[in-house]
Amino acid sequence: GNSVTQMEGPVTLSEEAFLTINCTYTATGYPSLFWYVQYPGEGLQLLLKATKADDKGSNKGFEATYRKETTSFHLEKGSVQVSDSAVYFCALSEDTGRRALTFGSGTRLQVQP
Amino acid sequence: DAGITQSPRHKVTETGTPVTLRCHQTENHRYMYWYRQDPGHGLRLIHYSYGVKDTDKGEVSDGYSVSRSKTEDFLLTLESATSSQTSVYFCAISESGGRQETQYFGPGTRLLVL
Repeated sequence: GNSVTQMEGPVTLSEEAFLTINCTYTATGYPSLFWYVQYPGEGLQLLLKATKADDKGSNKGFEATYRKETTSFHLEKGSVQVSDSAVYFCALSEDTGRRALTFGSGTRLQVQP
Repeated sequence: DAGITQSPRHKVTETGTPVTLRCHQTENHRYMYWYRQDPGHGLRLIHYSYGVKDTDKGEVSDGYSVSRSKTEDFLLTLESATSSQTSVYFCAISESGGRQETQYFGPGTRLLVL
């Protein structure tokens, strides 16, 4: 079956540091890949997505590239802010059937001033 | 923001009691989903719906049932709540279920089963 593996957290960084959160996946077919963000006490919001190999998703300074050869979709940001503190979820969407999302376990990011 | 509301937002109940959570959307989207969020597991699919009266199971459906009598409402029922069902429950919607589509999430319901 499908699965998503994310790096364990929490990740603690100083403001303006470079961020990488690793995500690898296992899937049959050709899934779409997503990063969602959850701020404290809120639901999940889409951060970015990529729907085919070599696509790069980007939003709010975050980027991730769909790498089929390494089955990865790592999230990066060049300079984090305190306001980026949240939990980040990598997810994939099935190619067929119910089209539900399969999520990783989430990575908590804490950015210190 | 997508028009998704969940009710109640918080609930405390006792083991063995029935509980119904409601998800309401104003987007007229065809697909609706119920997920639960637990530490170390991310979100896991409980049930989903692909139209009025059309529902199917997800990975963690035991102990849960759903109903969808109108496009805008998707109900999740715990027939007899257990402590293992203490969790945060999220509803999500997508327009037509395509693999490229974004799913939009509601604000969540925090359920505590004593």
